[in-house]
Amino acid sequence: GAGVSQSPRYKVTKRGQDVALRCDPISGHVSLYWYRQALGQGPEFLTYFNYEAQQDKSGLPNDRFSAERPEGSISTLTIQRTEQRDSAMYRCASSREGNTEAFFGQGTRLTVV
Amino acid sequence: DQQVKQNSPSLSVQEGRISILNCDYTNSMFDYFLWYKKYPAEGPTFLISISSIKDKNEDGRFTVFLNKSAKHLSLHIVPSQPGDSAVYFCAAILGEGSNSGYALNFGKGTSLLVTP
Repeated sequence: GAGVSQSPRYKVTKRGQDVALRCDPISGHVSLYWYRQALGQGPEFLTYFNYEAQQDKSGLPNDRFSAERPEGSISTLTIQRTEQRDSAMYRCASSREGNTEAFFGQGTRLTVV
Repeated sequence: DQQVKQNSPSLSVQEGRISILNCDYTNSMFDYFLWYKKYPAEGPTFLISISSIKDKNEDGRFTVFLNKSAKHLSLHIVPSQPGDSAVYFCAAILGEGSNSGYALNFGKGTSLLVTP
């Protein structure tokens, strides 16, 4: 596609439920990043993929968070047993190999009630 | 701990004047710096960047200055236009060898309002 596409745009879920957030990067972009942005803050790094390999997951807050990118394209960020503190904007970004300029999607606004 | 700091949450400037947005960082291992611009309901978009080996990079109305000794960078917009009103994020990237690729370390952002 023309840009990074994230779905859903908005997700409201009950505490304790699992959610899956999807990111479809720009075609040909081998690097994919997930960030989380709280209100009034800048995006914070969660995890990074190079092709299908998850190179760094040091930013994932705890083991309820996981991500995958099985075919080196679409990525899914999964949050299990959601808690209210998980409420935030989740942003995905992609970039060409070796390129510092990352392109962001519109984000998924997650609200845990 | 916030390694990239934008201490001004907001800035208001008259159209035609210069806008100066400031950013400080604490990690001397940062190798590359970027500014992103964000409009409401959109993702951040890349604006301009600078490598740590340079002290200035200019692109049209936008210039970024880097003072490595002070761990400070700034974005100048001249002349400012109402369409420049947005949130501006300063971001930094660690150098080669980082496991996180070119993961961005963001500041909290500065909301710029350019008034006619």
